[in-house]
Amino acid sequence: DSGVTQTPKHLITATGQRVTLRCSPRSGDLSVYWYQQSLDQGLQFLIQYYNGEERAKGNILERFSAQQFPDLHSELNLSSLELGDSALYFCASSNTFGEQYFGPGTRLTVT
Amino acid sequence: GENVEQHPSTLSVQEGDSAVIKCTYSDSASNYFPWYKQELGKGPQLIIDIRSNVGEKKDQRIAVTLNKTAKHFSLHITETQPEDSAVYFCAANAFGNEKLTFGTGTRLTIIP
Repeated sequence: DSGVTQTPKHLITATGQRVTLRCSPRSGDLSVYWYQQSLDQGLQFLIQYYNGEERAKGNILERFSAQQFPDLHSELNLSSLELGDSALYFCASSNTFGEQYFGPGTRLTVT
Repeated sequence: GENVEQHPSTLSVQEGDSAVIKCTYSDSASNYFPWYKQELGKGPQLIIDIRSNVGEKKDQRIAVTLNKTAKHFSLHITETQPEDSAVYFCAANAFGNEKLTFGTGTRLTIIP
């Protein structure tokens, strides 16, 4: 158990809908990262927050957004969902040494 | 940006033998190289990492080597056991850029 928690574990929704994925980092970690894992694209970095502020952005679609709250939990919002958004979404958090610890993931299925 | 290539994509070894997975990276500024193990239905688990100021690091049956000149790093697992069966990912990032770029993964199967 990495100490990073993610909810929900599974999510099934229809095209065009909007969903919110939630992540709680390990105690003491200020950085939260979001990654998408699909069969054809592997693990892709989406976005990073550090202590409430956006720190780095990867290949995140404009339909996707994230935020980190004062209690350091983070949410990833996915809107206007398409079939191709079906994937595993992982959250990771890091300590001062930069080591990233991943949560168990949310499996999103768009039908 | 950084590009990480990983080989082989699949690897089968007899229990007790050694397994080696290799990665190359493109950005000479990269200085942190973690390895993750992902079991079915779980998130990637950090198993070992190495920073650019050392050439080798060991943790029990697992070791990682780094050749900065050639820009490649490798994961070595000795005395493999059935529980080592999983997908292994290498990754790289540069100081000041915490985004991890991952390799495409190696599916390791240990044959009893």
